[in-house]
Amino acid sequence: DAGVTQSPTHLIKTRGQQVTLRCSPKSGHDTVSWYQQALGQGPQFIFQYYEEEERQRGNFPDRFSGHQFPNYSSELNVNALLLGDSALYLCASSLDVGNTDTQYFGPGTRLTVL
Amino acid sequence: GNSVTQMEGPVTLSEEAFLTINCTYTATGYPSLFWYVQYPGEGLQLLLKATKADDKGSNKGFEATYRKETTSFHLEKGSVQVSDSAVYFCAGGSSGGYQKVTFGTGTKLQVIP
Repeated sequence: DAGVTQSPTHLIKTRGQQVTLRCSPKSGHDTVSWYQQALGQGPQFIFQYYEEEERQRGNFPDRFSGHQFPNYSSELNVNALLLGDSALYLCASSLDVGNTDTQYFGPGTRLTVL
Repeated sequence: GNSVTQMEGPVTLSEEAFLTINCTYTATGYPSLFWYVQYPGEGLQLLLKATKADDKGSNKGFEATYRKETTSFHLEKGSVQVSDSAVYFCAGGSSGGYQKVTFGTGTKLQVIP
């Protein structure tokens, strides 16, 4: 049973550029959440997708956007990159059943903005 | 909003020592609580969870009890091993559904032989 996968593993961009990160959820999961983890910090919730819609959003600017596809995979897009966007971006998947909220995390994409 | 406060690290212990990492949470209602572990160079792994008050989560010798009266979820292990060296994150779910998870800042544990 494949777990959560993310691509690419590492990415280097320059300020002002745009980036797209990808995530495939664990088999059978229908909900994808994205988190930003700065060095030495805990993950911060960016947003969550369910049924191809953004269902909930954290305190992140509109430069951060996403998409969920019919096969439940998801993309995170960041526009107009800033140095402060350098972080590990984590994708987590879960199954929207009742109030179950156990999330399974992928290995992350390390984004460096120069 | 919800918040999670956990003991700052780093924590350095000798092998076979007793481990406690404190965690308290502030939330509306009584959300599920979690401990995640992040080994060097790896992603977050769910270590254990508790979904309601007085529940005890346990895994790999680690335990944590959901204490509603003190809003705490302290992580304990009776005898740590070198392989337990990692960063441990306490986290809380959201009572209103939608599965948003709020994380603490993490506690780095180093176990020395």
